[in-house]
Amino acid sequence: DAGVIQSPRHEVTEMGQEVTLRCKPISGHNSLFWYRQTMMRGLELLIYFNNNVPIDDSGMPEDRFSAKMPNASFSTLKIQPSEPRDSAVYFCASSPTPDAETQYFGPGTRLLVL
Amino acid sequence: SQKIEQNSEALNIQEGKTATLTCNYTNYSPAYLQWYRQDPGRGPVFLLLIRENEKEKRKERLKVTFDTTLKQSLFHITASQPADSATYLCAGRRGSYIPTFGRGTSLIVHP
Repeated sequence: DAGVIQSPRHEVTEMGQEVTLRCKPISGHNSLFWYRQTMMRGLELLIYFNNNVPIDDSGMPEDRFSAKMPNASFSTLKIQPSEPRDSAVYFCASSPTPDAETQYFGPGTRLLVL
Repeated sequence: SQKIEQNSEALNIQEGKTATLTCNYTNYSPAYLQWYRQDPGRGPVFLLLIRENEKEKRKERLKVTFDTTLKQSLFHITASQPADSATYLCAGRRGSYIPTFGRGTSLIVHP
């Protein structure tokens, strides 16, 4: 199994630009989670999906952030417009069910907004 | 709000010694605690899970305890090796499907 796949691995952009992060969960996993990690705040859950449906987006910082899961094998996290404070590592994770005992994390996308 | 707190200072130990990392939780009672390992530039990797009705769990050189009185979990690595150097994250979960993660403790094992 290839594990959770994320792209791009690194992204450098200028303030105001649109950023799209992509994730392919492990095949057969029905739950997908988007996290953001910073030194100050640690790992924070942004949103999670179950069976392609967003279940809880209370962690999404503001309207500039949006996430979609058009099918079971693909999800995107979009930031528009991006700001320097969005600089962080963004992780996607998947699990067989929402309450599975473990989540499988992707390698992350390191985002730098100048 | 519910919190998971881990020592932000790095733990430096000599190879062969036992490393002990602490995870404290406040404002809630997690049904279980998870420990993850994170290497630089990589995502967290699940190591162990311990439930609130379990006092101790072991896996090879790893041992985790759960003390509901102290509201604390301890994570031990015995016979530590330089390859154990990483950041270790604690996460707690109860009720909802959303785990709360601590900020992690960096472990450095010196040869």
